[in-house]
Amino acid sequence: NAGVTQTPKFQVLKTGQSMTLQCAQDMNHEYMSWYRQDPGMGLRLIHYSVGAGITDQGEVPNGYNVSRSTTEDFPLRLLSAAPSQTSVYFCASRTDFYGYTFGSGTRLTVV
Amino acid sequence: AQSVSQHNHHVILSEAASLELGCNYSYGGTVNLFWYVQYPGQHLQLLLKYFSGDPLVKGIKGFEAEFIKSKFSFNLRKPSVQWSDTAEYFCAVTLQTGANNLFFGTGTRLTVIP
Repeated sequence: NAGVTQTPKFQVLKTGQSMTLQCAQDMNHEYMSWYRQDPGMGLRLIHYSVGAGITDQGEVPNGYNVSRSTTEDFPLRLLSAAPSQTSVYFCASRTDFYGYTFGSGTRLTVV
Repeated sequence: AQSVSQHNHHVILSEAASLELGCNYSYGGTVNLFWYVQYPGQHLQLLLKYFSGDPLVKGIKGFEAEFIKSKFSFNLRKPSVQWSDTAEYFCAVTLQTGANNLFFGTGTRLTVIP
């Protein structure tokens, strides 16, 4: 039981490049979400999903896309990276009773 | 606007001192309340949570929190901190409606001096 697995752990992108942050969970949780963590701003919700095929926007969705084709995977896509997207990204999944499990994070730098 | 406020941005304490970190929320309706801790370089871990019942909640590592509904507050306390408590602490809220998303405060960095 690996919990929530995020890859990669570190990434450097050039402005305008695209990439996908991977998130996978093996707990059969229906709910998954993506957060970004910036100094002094806490964690802010980017996108979330309440089940396969269902996604919705959170507090800061601009510049990010998501899809949920399976229960296990919830990738986050940056179509055209900007320096403002430099952050630490956390994926989380949740049980029916608000038991959140967080991944170990992806530290992204956009230059 | 709906929000979670943590007014203490950085707290510095000596070992054995008592700790109280403030958390206020401005969401209407019924909420669930959480405190998470993030040790340096690690992901978030749950300290404690409040859903209903006794407003004094005990968590792991000797932490506790008190829900005061009239003040929209959920302050975190620990009687005697240790150097190993050095971390960032986040208060968070879920609303008992919709997708029940988890919304975080801006965090409080705690530094404990040996």
